[in-house]
Amino acid sequence: SQKIEQNSEALNIQEGKTATLTCNYTNYSPAYLQWYRQDPGRGPVFLLLIRENEKEKRKERLKVTFDTTLKQSLFHITASQPADSATYLCALDLGSWGKLQFGAGTQVVVTP
Amino acid sequence: EPEVTQTPSHQVTQMGQEVILRCVPISNHLYFYWYRQILGQKVEFLVSFYNNEISEKSEIFDDQFSVERPDGSNFTLKIRSTKLEDSAMYFCASIYDNEQFFGPGTRLTVL
Repeated sequence: SQKIEQNSEALNIQEGKTATLTCNYTNYSPAYLQWYRQDPGRGPVFLLLIRENEKEKRKERLKVTFDTTLKQSLFHITASQPADSATYLCALDLGSWGKLQFGAGTQVVVTP
Repeated sequence: EPEVTQTPSHQVTQMGQEVILRCVPISNHLYFYWYRQILGQKVEFLVSFYNNEISEKSEIFDDQFSVERPDGSNFTLKIRSTKLEDSAMYFCASIYDNEQFFGPGTRLTVL
């Protein structure tokens, strides 16, 4: 299976700044790469999906890039707000009946 | 907005007992999943289900686990004889257009 690496240390950021999270994977590139948000004790919530033939995807204040050469995805939260504080999970769709393999997640803490 | 629901929210059981975790996926979705998350660890895939049969299962999903869609709405995960290491959050999910919708989870505590 793939090895998926996300920043293990929490990202502390000031309100209004841009948070950038990294997801690196090994082996083959997935058909899709997805980002989820998870709050403590809750289920993951889908944020964005990017396909292997797409370089960038945006949704409101969120932006995802996908570099299949580097085997890396970057996730950006612009104009961050305290409500953005959560753990953000990278997930690879392995192209097998929608089976997802998740990274360990990066915790983001946005302070006023 | 439609959502995936799960019951119970918290289940406490004794080691060796059987538990059934219940999920109601979003009604027009066709693929269903169970994932689990041990405290402080990654979300892990257990099983996918389509057209009333298992599509794929992970190494975790051994003979002690089973899934069923007993009627048109419910989707259940049964653990026949629970072990201490089965303690985790169990998430049900359904998929539409490659987006997976997760339920709020059932926290299973095995004593």
